[in-house]
Amino acid sequence: DAKTTQPNSMESNEEEPVHLPCNHSTISGTDYIHWYRQLPSQGPEYVIHGLTSNVNNRMASLAIAEDRKSSTLILHRATLRDAAVYYCILSESNYQLIWGAGTKLIIKP
Amino acid sequence: EPEVTQTPSHQVTQMGQEVILRCVPISNHLYFYWYRQILGQKVEFLVSFYNNEISEKSEIFDDQFSVERPDGSNFTLKIRSTKLEDSAMYFCASIGSGNREQYFGPGTRLTVT
Repeated sequence: DAKTTQPNSMESNEEEPVHLPCNHSTISGTDYIHWYRQLPSQGPEYVIHGLTSNVNNRMASLAIAEDRKSSTLILHRATLRDAAVYYCILSESNYQLIWGAGTKLIIKP
Repeated sequence: EPEVTQTPSHQVTQMGQEVILRCVPISNHLYFYWYRQILGQKVEFLVSFYNNEISEKSEIFDDQFSVERPDGSNFTLKIRSTKLEDSAMYFCASIGSGNREQYFGPGTRLTVT
């Protein structure tokens, strides 16, 4: 079973920041935190991942709580193209991804 | 930018028939995966493949399923005798050495009638 908990859906306005939360209270010391997204009718797409420290890349930022029991994906300026299902996934060293239901992000123009 | 490709994009087959889904991972990648997604449901892990052998497989990946990397570029998923419940999108993914980012293909929609 998925080891993360995410809201079923969230809404945000275009060109505003979006904070997508994820709880993973049973995370182990070797689990990486991954975020993927799936746009409608497409394959999943990697967004970002981290272990302990906050991470930034061209798509998003990942803020990881100090106790690692939760994390937040931050889209700094959402566009309509960011409307997708966002998945928070824990992965051990074997790289296997076990998916949950994710958060459906709705962007309002 | 390199990408994972999958063929065909849509496969229709009759129950009991064998199907082979094909994937071409990114050329220097070493780890390969198959996932499936039944319409409206979550993505499910099927199998991982490394160094020409299966690394891990899920309960879904029973004796009807097999994977192969026949020629160093293609990565295939075979379903020997398809069932109605095998109807789903099948995604291939790959990872390069020293990386954790899985690159996914666009998927093959399998419809079993």
